Order: sequence, then C-alpha cells, then structure tokens
Amino acid sequence: NAGVTQTPKFQVLKTGQSMTLQCAQDMNHNSMYWYRQDPGMGLRLIYYSASEGTTDKGEVPNGYNVSRLNKREFSLRLESAAPSQTSVYFCASSESGTDGYTFGSGTRLTVV
Amino acid sequence: GEDVEQSLFLSVREGDSSVINCTYTDSSSTYLYWYKQEPGAGLQLLTYIFSNMDMKQDQRLTVLLNKKDKHLSLRIADTQTGDSAIYFCAVVVGYQKVTFGTGTKLQVIP
Repeated sequence: NAGVTQTPKFQVLKTGQSMTLQCAQDMNHNSMYWYRQDPGMGLRLIYYSASEGTTDKGEVPNGYNVSRLNKREFSLRLESAAPSQTSVYFCASSESGTDGYTFGSGTRLTVV
Repeated sequence: GEDVEQSLFLSVREGDSSVINCTYTDSSSTYLYWYKQEPGAGLQLLTYIFSNMDMKQDQRLTVLLNKKDKHLSLRIADTQTGDSAIYFCAVVVGYQKVTFGTGTKLQVIP
C-alpha cells in the first residue's frame, strides 16, 4: 500500500548515544515533516522539507538534524540523545504544503 | 502564532452522536482538517473543510465551521466502538504553516 514508512518502530537509547530515524514515502509528495508527540502537548513540528534540497526548522529543532536525501526520503538524526527526547516521532508528507498530510505509524523512542 | 484548542476528553454511548470541538485564533485560515489517531498508530486524515464553506458532510461525519467565532466542530453520527480514538483538528494559515490541536480522546461506551 502507498504511504509513509518509518523505521525503526521502537528504540531504546542511552543518554549521549546517537541514532537516525528513517522515513520514506512513495506518493511523490514534495513536502515532508518530522513531528514529535508528547502527552498533553499534541504534535510539535521539529523540521520540515518543503521540497527536495531544502530543510527548515520547526517549533522544536534543538538537538535534532535532518537530511532530505532525495524526494522520497527524509531522515531525522539525534546526535547526542537526552531523556527529554523520549517521545513518539512521526514522519508525514504532503503534496503541496497546504493539503492534508499522510503520516507514518511512528517511532517510539525512549532515552534512558 | 496560531493557537488551536480542543477539549481533552469526550465520552459517549454507542449509537449516540459525538461532537468534537476546536477553536482557533488566526482568522486567515484557509483549510481546516480533522485527523483520527487510533492507539499505537499515526494520524489518519478523516475530512477537511475549506474556509469559504460553512458545512461539509461525508457519510457519518459532518464538519461545521463558524468563521466569526473561529470554531470548528466534527459530528460523528451513530457513534460506534470503532470510533474510539484521539481526534485532532489542524488549521492551515499559509504555505507550510499548519497548527495541530492537542487532540480530543473519544471514548465510546458500549
């Protein structure tokens, strides 16, 4: 089925470790997004990529980096994980940036 | 920036109608969306309304938009246990400018 694929689904890190969350979409969408979801805080935008070759900061970018590898793939990197980065991370994509988003199934990350 | 508010929790009996409300602050909104999130899953786009519309109906779902009061609602008719989920409204105020509400958890009692 067409959609947004995220890997891994679950991850436990020790404080200070690094990791990359992978995201790929097969809908030929131009825009891609990384959100984190925390209880009581809804969804907060970390970074987005309006089109291939561009990336921009969202609401909560500190501690993260992103790479738009090609039109399909948008990765999120934690260089030195902190317990405050324990969260559920969602990747999403959209055609135009104003139309509805298609979300992946999420990565549940725990930093101990 | 845009502020989007939702009540945290709603409980209804199976077969009743559910009404989930959302208020927002930016009057320049262009598109408004409703998403559904089931446990352990990502958000799924349910329906949307353009800002030049007052109402949109899609099977059991009715979206009402009151632009004057900046109020959006989602009515689910004949609510079923499968409708239990968290519902998010999202407001688009410009290119790449989308704000999500905090989500309303709908509990359907059999």
